[in-house]
Amino acid sequence: QITLKESGPTLVKPTETLTLTCTFSGFSLRSTGVGVGWIRQSPGKALECLAVIYWDDDKYYSPSLKTRLTITKDTSKNQVVLTMTNVDPVDTATYYCAHRLNYRTHFASWGQGTLVTVSS
Amino acid sequence: QTLVTQEPSLTVSPGGTVTLTCASSTGAVTSTNYPNWFQQRPGQAPRALIYSASNRHSWTPARFSGSLLGGKAVLTLSGVQPEDEAEYYCLLYFGSGQVVFGGGTKLTVL
Repeated sequence: QITLKESGPTLVKPTETLTLTCTFSGFSLRSTGVGVGWIRQSPGKALECLAVIYWDDDKYYSPSLKTRLTITKDTSKNQVVLTMTNVDPVDTATYYCAHRLNYRTHFASWGQGTLVTVSS
Repeated sequence: QTLVTQEPSLTVSPGGTVTLTCASSTGAVTSTNYPNWFQQRPGQAPRALIYSASNRHSWTPARFSGSLLGGKAVLTLSGVQPEDEAEYYCLLYFGSGQVVFGGGTKLTVL
C-alpha cells in the first residue's frame, strides 16, 4: 500500500522561505520511472503541478515558479522536500505530494494535503 | 506556457451520460501525452481515475472510460451516479518531465 504525507508550517510570513516535506511508504524512489511531485491548489482554483523529482534525480519545475523552487530527495528516509523562496499571499494553498509510477501513470496516489497560509 | 483546457462546468441527469474533454494549446492531444484523469470531491484530495488515455485504475468504476477523439482527450461517464458530482481534472505529459493540469470541469448531477 502506497501512502504519502505532507508536513510543514501552516503559516508563513511574506518573503520567508517555505519548506515542505513529503514522507512516503510503499514504493522506492530508486525504482526506474518513479517520481514524486508537488501539486498545489489555491482556494477555489485548479490543481497546479509545481515540481517533480524522478528516480534518476532529474527534476521538473513549473516554468512560472522555477526561480523560486527547489526539490530534493532523500531515498534513505523516503522523503522529498520542496522549498519555495520569497513567498507571497498568493502562495496560500493546499499543497499535495503525489506518487508518479511511470511516464504513463502520473499521480496515482496522493497525500492528504497540507494547507499553507501566507500572511503577516 | 503550455495551456490545457477543459469545460468549466457541465450538468448531467442521474443515469445519464456525459463527456468531458481536455485540449492542449500545443495542438492535438495524442497517446504520447499519456492523458491522466482525476476526480476531486469537495474537501478531499484528488483521486486518480484514468491513466494513459484509456486505462482504468483498479479502483475506478467501469462507468468511467477514457479515450482520444478529435484531437482531445475525453472522459466519458455513463450511468452517472449522484456521487459522481465533483471536479474533474485532466493532466497531460509534454516530455522532459513536463506535466500540466487542465483547469478542471465542475460536474453537477441534477
